Amino acid sequence: QKEVEQNSGPLSVPEGAIASLNCTYSDRGSQSFFWYRQYSGKSPELIMSIYSNGDKEDGRFTAQLNKASQYVSLLIRDSQPSDSATYLCAVRPPGGGNKLTFGTGTQLKVEL
Amino acid sequence: EAQVTQNPRYLITVTGKKLTVTCSQNMNHEYMSWYRQDPGLGLRQIYYSMNVEVTDKGDVPEGYKVSRKEKRNFPLILESPSPNQTSLYFCASSLRGAPETQYFGPGTRLLVL
Repeated sequence: QKEVEQNSGPLSVPEGAIASLNCTYSDRGSQSFFWYRQYSGKSPELIMSIYSNGDKEDGRFTAQLNKASQYVSLLIRDSQPSDSATYLCAVRPPGGGNKLTFGTGTQLKVEL
Repeated sequence: EAQVTQNPRYLITVTGKKLTVTCSQNMNHEYMSWYRQDPGLGLRQIYYSMNVEVTDKGDVPEGYKVSRKEKRNFPLILESPSPNQTSLYFCASSLRGAPETQYFGPGTRLLVL
């Protein structure tokens, strides 16, 4: 089992719809969770971080964490063509430090 | 402007010819790391450094070397590159203990023939 798993996609949604991106992780002791956005040919950039169970909202983005199910998700409301990118889920393993384990990413396509 | 720079951005080389990819950050970050990104495998950490003169292996260190003589610089060295090291490489830096502060460099695309 991979440490961090994501569906590779592509996930296609129409403009204005809600895009839902999912990620599961294997280490139950993980404490911190991050979503990165990566445009084609560019470097990843952090868009959301979440540390406790529940929802965290930032503009059109909502991160959801369920530690019991070892599941973290990212919702993008009112999806725009500019949201078309690959979204990487990253997990900080137990023990702290700076190491992050990344999933392989989900490609999102927002269609006009 | 806070940034991580990498050079070169693109490199084509041949098997066995030593090369160095430079990385520099201007944010006074203690932690620096190198990743490689391959289709279907995602981002994998090669080496990391907690501070000057402190380096350690990541998940895929074979065939790579690093050094950290200055806080701002963290070069990646391929002493004898092989075709399986063809990849997209990213350098990143962050404050120690705060991975949410991580900045990535623009990436170096390497092709080993």
